[in-house]
Amino acid sequence: GIQVEQSPPDLILQEGANSTLRCNFSDSVNNLQWFHQNPWGQLINLFYIPSGTKQNGRLSATTVATERYSLLYISSSQTTDSGVYFCAVDNTDKLIFGTGTRLQVFP
Amino acid sequence: DTEVTQTPKHLVMGMTNKKSLKCEQHMGHRAMYWYKQKAKKPPELMFVYSYEKLSINESVPSRFSPECPNSSLLNLHLHALQPEDSALYLCASSLPGAGQGTEAFFGQGTRLTVV
Repeated sequence: GIQVEQSPPDLILQEGANSTLRCNFSDSVNNLQWFHQNPWGQLINLFYIPSGTKQNGRLSATTVATERYSLLYISSSQTTDSGVYFCAVDNTDKLIFGTGTRLQVFP
Repeated sequence: DTEVTQTPKHLVMGMTNKKSLKCEQHMGHRAMYWYKQKAKKPPELMFVYSYEKLSINESVPSRFSPECPNSSLLNLHLHALQPEDSALYLCASSLPGAGQGTEAFFGQGTRLTVV
């Protein structure tokens, strides 16, 4: 099956710093989503981005489907950005999650 | 409205109990999913329903029994679980992919503890 790897696995930032999270996948996909999982377990939709670039406030994402990777940019990070970030890809009607990046933002 | 509602939020059950998890959405989505997530791991797909029919079962043990009574509801019936089944159970829904892929939305999860 498709493999989805994220890097880095862990990231520690001071408030105000910028960061880039990466998602690599091993096969072509129909869909790619980025989620933020908060400490209570809720998966919050950040981007639905099978290709191209999107921006939402301090967050933006780029997917290069032909090269099988996606990037999530977080600018001017805040303590509320802490949590786990997952990318997930849809391949044959299965949404498969990546390994995740655990982000901690300190004041 | 992009809400998927799961009940209960927390559940503690004994190994001989029978319980059910419930998931509801009113977005007109016709694909619904159950995922299981262990601590510090990504969610893992268990079942997919498409148009109220079970389309994918990821070799889940029979002590987990899914049911889709109508297009808005998804249940997961639990029986004779083991302590290692303790996890966060997540429900999701989307428009059917038909090979094209569409955006999925998740409920807040049920945190299950088997004692």
